[in-house]
Amino acid sequence: GAGVSQTPSNKVTEKGKYVELRCDPISGHTALYWYRQSLGQGPEFLIYFQGTGAADDSGLPNDRFFAVRPEGSVSTLKIQRTERGDSAMYLCASSPLAGPTDTQYFGPGTRLTVL
Amino acid sequence: RKEVEQDPGPFNVPEGATVAFNCTYSNSASQSFFWYRQDCRKEPKLLMSVYSSGNEDGRFTAQLNRASQYISLLIRDSKLSDSATYLCVVPSSSGAGSYQLTFGKGTKLSVIP
Repeated sequence: GAGVSQTPSNKVTEKGKYVELRCDPISGHTALYWYRQSLGQGPEFLIYFQGTGAADDSGLPNDRFFAVRPEGSVSTLKIQRTERGDSAMYLCASSPLAGPTDTQYFGPGTRLTVL
Repeated sequence: RKEVEQDPGPFNVPEGATVAFNCTYSNSASQSFFWYRQDCRKEPKLLMSVYSSGNEDGRFTAQLNRASQYISLLIRDSKLSDSATYLCVVPSSSGAGSYQLTFGKGTKLSVIP
């Protein structure tokens, strides 16, 4: 079946601009996660959705970052006033449930470059 | 101790060699562990899950030592296609019954012809 999809695959923007990154999880998966991966690092947790609500946003670095999942399926990560330090790979993952043994399936990521 | 710590490598090994990666974790309450594989500029993909003392899948063996808070991944008879970064992953409780994944920085493996 279809896996997690993310668009765009690459996004280049200028410092100070607003960007939106989209994630389409595996159908039927209630848990959705956003991670950010910088070069040479492992992915770092940003935010977790259970259904439509953000159950844990403790990983968001500051209030320029926001994410929504209005209908419990597609999610959008929004970054305001982008900074060069926001450049990274943004990964979305989904899982059927949110337990410690539930496999998270990752999308191909959006590579964000802020000039 | 960092939450999840791995030797970054790189490990350069010849085809057919056996190679082992180590990972230590700080949360003694962790119950499950994963090894993910990540190819260059691609997303992480689950390689193995470890819930008890260990798990074996073909050429890959994962072992868990809870007393030492240590996980290992052993790859036997290395193939060129095994070249990738291997990420040690520990689910962390976020409260309210949910779990996020905490990743190590990854260990880079290059298998050389």
